[in-house]
Amino acid sequence: QITLKESGPTVVKPTQTLTLTCTFSGFSLSSSGAAVGWIRQPPGKALEWLALIYWDDDKRYSPSLKGRLTITKDTSKNQVVFTMTNVDPVDTATYYCARGSVSTNHAMDVWGQGTTVTVSS
Amino acid sequence: QSVLTQPPSASGTPGQRVTISCSGGSSNIGGNYVQWYQQLPGTAPKLLIYRNNQRPSGVPDRFSGSKSGTSASLAISGLRSEDEADYYCAAWDDSLSVVFGGGTKLTVL
Repeated sequence: QITLKESGPTVVKPTQTLTLTCTFSGFSLSSSGAAVGWIRQPPGKALEWLALIYWDDDKRYSPSLKGRLTITKDTSKNQVVFTMTNVDPVDTATYYCARGSVSTNHAMDVWGQGTTVTVSS
Repeated sequence: QSVLTQPPSASGTPGQRVTISCSGGSSNIGGNYVQWYQQLPGTAPKLLIYRNNQRPSGVPDRFSGSKSGTSASLAISGLRSEDEADYYCAAWDDSLSVVFGGGTKLTVL
């Protein structure tokens, strides 16, 4: 069974750095073609794709947020870490991590339950 | 403003067939595969369709996807009350990112 779970702070102050961890099981991010991505959803709004990391450590970022985002992986711990710098109240959202795959052309086939982050002073 | 354009709402009665459209451009839908996700109230999104028209294991064949040019569609036949949800299209974009639609809220009357 494949599972992913997001963890991190529920409240972050403006201008601070948000760090979220995705801990997964049931697959290996060292397997060829595997990927893990981050997607967020502000309250009552649409999904927004943020970042993706591949098994070979290649990374992709949302062009509109690229300078603020970093995604890394720790294959030995089955974790992917996502950071967003200089957060603002507009970054308040539910953040999801999800498994992707080159074989499904980047479709995210298993999602975590999401973690809600509020940016407020 | 989402890159892919979806109607904000759609509706149908039980048993009906409904379609949801998704419009993009040559850099995303026009040259790449389309995915569809279902998000039931208060839950995480679930993959419904990938590679334009492929269903993951466990997704009923009432759900089908198609693509033509720079547009795609999700069709739901034999509409059920449990299909009431938000539906999102997505596609890889040549900017090396994934783009989503704004979502369509489906109401089963």
